[in-house]
Amino acid sequence: DTGVSQNPRHKITKRGQNVTFRCDPISEHNRLYWYRQTLGQGPEFLTYFQNEAQLEKSRLLSDRFSAERPKGSFSTLEIQRTEQGDSAMYLCASRDSTRELFFGEGSRLTVL
Amino acid sequence: EDKVVQSPLSLVVHEGDTVTLNCSYEVTNFRSLLWYKQEKKAPTFLFMLTSSGIEKKSGRLSSILDKKELSSILNITATQTGDSAIYLCAGHNTNAGKSTFGDGTTLTVKP
Repeated sequence: DTGVSQNPRHKITKRGQNVTFRCDPISEHNRLYWYRQTLGQGPEFLTYFQNEAQLEKSRLLSDRFSAERPKGSFSTLEIQRTEQGDSAMYLCASRDSTRELFFGEGSRLTVL
Repeated sequence: EDKVVQSPLSLVVHEGDTVTLNCSYEVTNFRSLLWYKQEKKAPTFLFMLTSSGIEKKSGRLSSILDKKELSSILNITATQTGDSAIYLCAGHNTNAGKSTFGDGTTLTVKP
């Protein structure tokens, strides 16, 4: 499968714990995005990488969220000291020079 | 802050009906308007519109962009139950390199 891969697909954690999600984009895509989606809402932009450089981060994003793409290939999104409000689907997407996004199937986070 | 608004939020129709979904945008350095279909999992790409007035068509789906009105519509003719999904539109900000999504229109097609 050469699509965007995300894991874990589901994560249940207790409030205050740290969680990390991984995204493997389509190999020839140099741009990688993280979005968050809750029920009844569209995907909300979190952050964006071109190769290994993080070019933009949402101003609404708490300092508890950090993302990396160390070698310009896979990316990780870490949430520290999780809160119940962090419960959502975390979507990763990648693209090349076109503007069409290819999404992974998402990582669903439930914070108890 | 870039903003995309879709209407209606939800729509219930019967098979064979034609539907029109609306999208309006306020996006700095706007380059393109993109439509996606989201069933139970991740959004999948439908159309990208860059030029005003040029209709994009794929089977029973078509879409057009109006840059003067900062809006786009997505039409689906002869709807089928398999068209039931959330339809998302997104405005692409070329300087920021990112797309801002609306909250989607949930379409339910009844047999």
